[in-house]
Amino acid sequence: GNSVTQMEGPVTLSEEAFLTINCTYTATGYPSLFWYVQYPGEGLQLLLKATKADDKGSNKGFEATYRKETTSFHLEKGSVQVSDSAVYFCALFSGGYNKLIFGAGTRLAVHP
Amino acid sequence: GAGVSQTPSNKVTEKGKYVELRCDPISGHTALYWYRQSLGQGPEFLIYFQGTGAADDSGLPNDRFFAVRPEGSVSTLKIQRTERGDSAVYLCASSLQAQDTDTQYFGPGTRLTVL
Repeated sequence: GNSVTQMEGPVTLSEEAFLTINCTYTATGYPSLFWYVQYPGEGLQLLLKATKADDKGSNKGFEATYRKETTSFHLEKGSVQVSDSAVYFCALFSGGYNKLIFGAGTRLAVHP
Repeated sequence: GAGVSQTPSNKVTEKGKYVELRCDPISGHTALYWYRQSLGQGPEFLIYFQGTGAADDSGLPNDRFFAVRPEGSVSTLKIQRTERGDSAVYLCASSLQAQDTDTQYFGPGTRLTVL
């Protein structure tokens, strides 16, 4: 069945460091891929998405590229800020299954 | 515009009791989803509505769980004979339709605690 695997956290970085959070998926067909973020005390928010192979989603300095050949959708940011501290979830949506399938989440802590 | 709202934000109940959780989706969104998020985990799918009908309820854990969406807007998730293992955050999401390019917008969740 469809599944998402993302790197375990927590990830601890200093401000202005480079961030990568790995995400790989298993899916039939051609799913859409998403990164959601959950800030402390808040609900899930869409961070970015990509709906077909080689698409790059971007938002707030974060980027992720849909790599069909490696079934990956790694999240990157060139220079993290303390305000980026949150839990990040990779997810896929396959129309045949009509639901988002999430990874377990990766907690990011950024220190000044 | 208004986002997805959920009430109550917190619900504490005793084992064996009945609870109802409400979701008010974004106006005009035909697809509505319920998910459950346990501590330290990603959300897990429970049920999906397209309009008034439950198009996929394969994620409901057992027959104590039931959900309705009678007028194609507000939805209620109902849990009978609650158990301690039902404690989690219950999330509702809506999207314009149910296509794979559509974004699901999440509500703030209802934190259910079963004592």
